[in-house]
Amino acid sequence: EVQLVESGGAVVQPGGSLRLSCAASGFTFNDYAMYWVRQAPGKSLEWVSHINWDGGSAYYAGSVKGRFTISRDNSKKSLFLQMNNLRVEDTACYYCAKDIGILSAGATFHFWGQGTLVTVSS
Amino acid sequence: DIVMTQSPATLSVSPGERATLSCRASQSLGSKLAWYQQKPGQAPRLLIYAAATRATGIPARFSGSGSGTEFTLTISSLQSEDFAVYYCQQGLTFGGGTKVEIK
Repeated sequence: EVQLVESGGAVVQPGGSLRLSCAASGFTFNDYAMYWVRQAPGKSLEWVSHINWDGGSAYYAGSVKGRFTISRDNSKKSLFLQMNNLRVEDTACYYCAKDIGILSAGATFHFWGQGTLVTVSS
Repeated sequence: DIVMTQSPATLSVSPGERATLSCRASQSLGSKLAWYQQKPGQAPRLLIYAAATRATGIPARFSGSGSGTEFTLTISSLQSEDFAVYYCQQGLTFGGGTKVEIK
């Protein structure tokens, strides 16, 4: 059974930093691109970042580029999101998600974690 | 950037009735469109990908159609567990969602 478990969400002041983690199990982690998608309270979904299966390529939404860094540790089946210089508008539930395609970054989000809440507030 | 527009924003349907949800893309990416269902307090769940392919375990009452810039999700006979918010997605962009509520 595929499982994705996020952690690391917290309340942080504007300008602060957080590191989110996503622990994966139930599939061959290093065969799949992985994604971070966020959802502000009462809003739709927003793609944040993704990384290909070997960690060689990473992509970011314009709203987070230069502030967030995605990474993965295939030996530990883990995905990370380092979030720096956080803004009030980064407040959201952050989900990690697995691509549906093997060795593909086709951006079809097959399985999702339960999410971790990040609140940026003074 | 692609803009995904879903309509209606809210759809009131009685159990057992058919629901038709629409999604329009500002530019075409062929048939590369997905639909997700999200219930309150839960993560989204993939229903349909490649416009018309049901994901594993999704009941046959869910069907997708369309290509280019116009897409439709149809729920043939709404069950109580189908009342939720539905999102379409093309590329890295999601639509604003359609809430399906009990009439």
